[in-house]
Amino acid sequence: AQTVTQSQPEMSVQEAETVTLSCTYDTSENNYYLFWYKQPPSRQMILVIRQEAYKQQNATENRFSVNFQKAAKSFSLKISDSQLGDTAMYFCAFMKLGSGNTGKLIFGQGTTLQVKP
Amino acid sequence: GAVVSQHPSWVICKSGTSVKIECRSLDFQATTMFWYRQFPKQSLMLMATSNEGSKATYEQGVEKDKFLINHASLTLSTLTVTSAHPEDSSFYICSAARDREDYGYTFGSGTRLTVV
Repeated sequence: AQTVTQSQPEMSVQEAETVTLSCTYDTSENNYYLFWYKQPPSRQMILVIRQEAYKQQNATENRFSVNFQKAAKSFSLKISDSQLGDTAMYFCAFMKLGSGNTGKLIFGQGTTLQVKP
Repeated sequence: GAVVSQHPSWVICKSGTSVKIECRSLDFQATTMFWYRQFPKQSLMLMATSNEGSKATYEQGVEKDKFLINHASLTLSTLTVTSAHPEDSSFYICSAARDREDYGYTFGSGTRLTVV
């Protein structure tokens, strides 16, 4: 069975600075997706970034980038130039691909990020 | 972009009554919808996967008779919490996908259920 672990329950960062959120996962699968989601106080789940396991290049979306280390099963999220609107709970998630793909997302425990002015 | 509407956003009901939550894909046809449950400051747990026109697939430990899921059309899935009890109080979130490539992209805004 797959598991996703986020070992940082809470983090804080000063506005305009950079912060990195950690995520590790365990799987015997070779073909999968990894996601980072943001859940602000409104509780709307927002997809931040997605990484296909077969791609060696790290995904980036504007101020958000990932460091995907497949061998180490690590998938960290870097937020550059942090903004007050980045304050949210962040979830790392895993989805298996292939013939057994059901779209099931396995979420980590979440990291609450507070951006301070 | 794809939009998923979830209704109601919050509901309070009496213990023993049933509550229906709707999840609609507004601008696309969703072949698959997912229902999650989230306790305060905790992660999301998948309850069931709903495919249009077929029975939902429930995750282990989720009571099928307690949480009835219907996916009658390509734009609507409903979750009915039957004979609700206070322990069913939670935040319920749906997610919808056009196809396998679309998995994980679009979530509803969630429903806060309080059973008194």
